[in-house]
Amino acid sequence: DQQVKQNSPSLSVQEGRISILNCDYTNSMFDYFLWYKKYPAEGPTFLISISSIKDKNEDGRFTVFLNKSAKHLSLHIVPSQPGDSAVYFCAASASGKLIFGQGTTLQVKP
Amino acid sequence: GAGVSQSPRYKVAKRGQDVALRCDPISGHVSLFWYQQALGQGPEFLTYFQNEAQLDKSGLPSDRFFAERPEGSVSTLKIQRTQQEDSAVYLCASSRTGTAEAFFGQGTRLTVV
Repeated sequence: DQQVKQNSPSLSVQEGRISILNCDYTNSMFDYFLWYKKYPAEGPTFLISISSIKDKNEDGRFTVFLNKSAKHLSLHIVPSQPGDSAVYFCAASASGKLIFGQGTTLQVKP
Repeated sequence: GAGVSQSPRYKVAKRGQDVALRCDPISGHVSLFWYQQALGQGPEFLTYFQNEAQLDKSGLPSDRFFAERPEGSVSTLKIQRTQQEDSAVYLCASSRTGTAEAFFGQGTRLTVV
């Protein structure tokens, strides 16, 4: 039973445009949501997070939106850069442990 | 170092062999997590420590898997009688108490042949 789902395995975007990565969850008890970025042969790197009491959090080019009623969150990257090409994982926190989605591979083309 | 350190980076084990994977968390981080990541999948939770106490081991796939953190710092994940399906990247992460942001090590890639 996949509690956190990323339904798009891959996404390709032109440099300078917006990248939108989506994530759905099923457990209403999740109280914190995070996005991680992963390059090959490296561990996931924390990118941005949002508490369940908020609906938006912004950090530079990265913005995370949370829609609790739809149990949906998204990561917006504006403007996208070739260095953003990586696998992006969303994760949800319950009782201290993180539950991850399957990941979305983002390719930003120059 | 400042980050989470895992060793070895790569491990090749013969089927049936026991292996031990080490994790050095960020200094001062109370919580420590182990995850298993299969190719093309997201990290799957294995177990979680707060200091030396193992608070959740619900993700350990079988009794061949055992984790410990005896002094509340370094942790070891042990896999006995390895099988081919154990081949994966094993990730360790640590976090400060009360925060959900976990910081990951580079992982140990285990290949069972």
